[in-house]
Amino acid sequence: GDSVTQMEGPVTLSEEAFLTINCTYTATGYPSLFWYVQYPGEGLQLLLKATKADDKGSNKGFEATYRKETTSFHLEKGSVQVSDSAVYFCALTGTNFGNEKLTFGTGTRLTIIP
Amino acid sequence: DAGITQSPRHKVTETGTPVTLRCHQTENHRYMYWYRQDPGHGLRLIHYSYGVKDTDKGEVSDGYSVSRSKTEDFLLTLESATSSQTSVYFCATWSSAGSFQDTQYFGPGTRLTVL
Repeated sequence: GDSVTQMEGPVTLSEEAFLTINCTYTATGYPSLFWYVQYPGEGLQLLLKATKADDKGSNKGFEATYRKETTSFHLEKGSVQVSDSAVYFCALTGTNFGNEKLTFGTGTRLTIIP
Repeated sequence: DAGITQSPRHKVTETGTPVTLRCHQTENHRYMYWYRQDPGHGLRLIHYSYGVKDTDKGEVSDGYSVSRSKTEDFLLTLESATSSQTSVYFCATWSSAGSFQDTQYFGPGTRLTVL
């Protein structure tokens, strides 16, 4: 079945550092890919998404590119801020049109220190 | 924001007691979901609903039941709570199944502790 593997945390960085959180997936066909963010005490929010190969999703300075050849969707940000401290989840939807279920990775906790 | 509320937000209960968690949405979304979040597991799907009175099991459905009698409400019941069901529970909705441009929206979560 479908699965998502993402980099284990926790990850601790200094403010203004470059961020990469790795995500790879296993799925048949062409899934849609997502990054969700969870701030302390809150539910998940969609951060960005990509629906086909070579698409780049971007939001709030974060970017991720759908790489079918490497089955990856790594999250990057050039200069992180303290407010980016959160848990980040990579996820995918099924490959059949109308498939409504998300499969999540285990999450990566990110802490940014001033 | 899909206007999703969950109640209660926090609950402590004892082993063997029944527990019902409620999810309420104001956006008339067709699909609704219950997930549990545990360290090292991410979010795992418990049950979901694709319409009033239409539900299906997720990957961790044992020990849980659901009901959806109205579009806006999706109830999760633990018939006899166990300590392994201590977790944070999230409700989610999806407005238009079949659209690759859409995504799920999540509620704020319910923290359940079973002693």
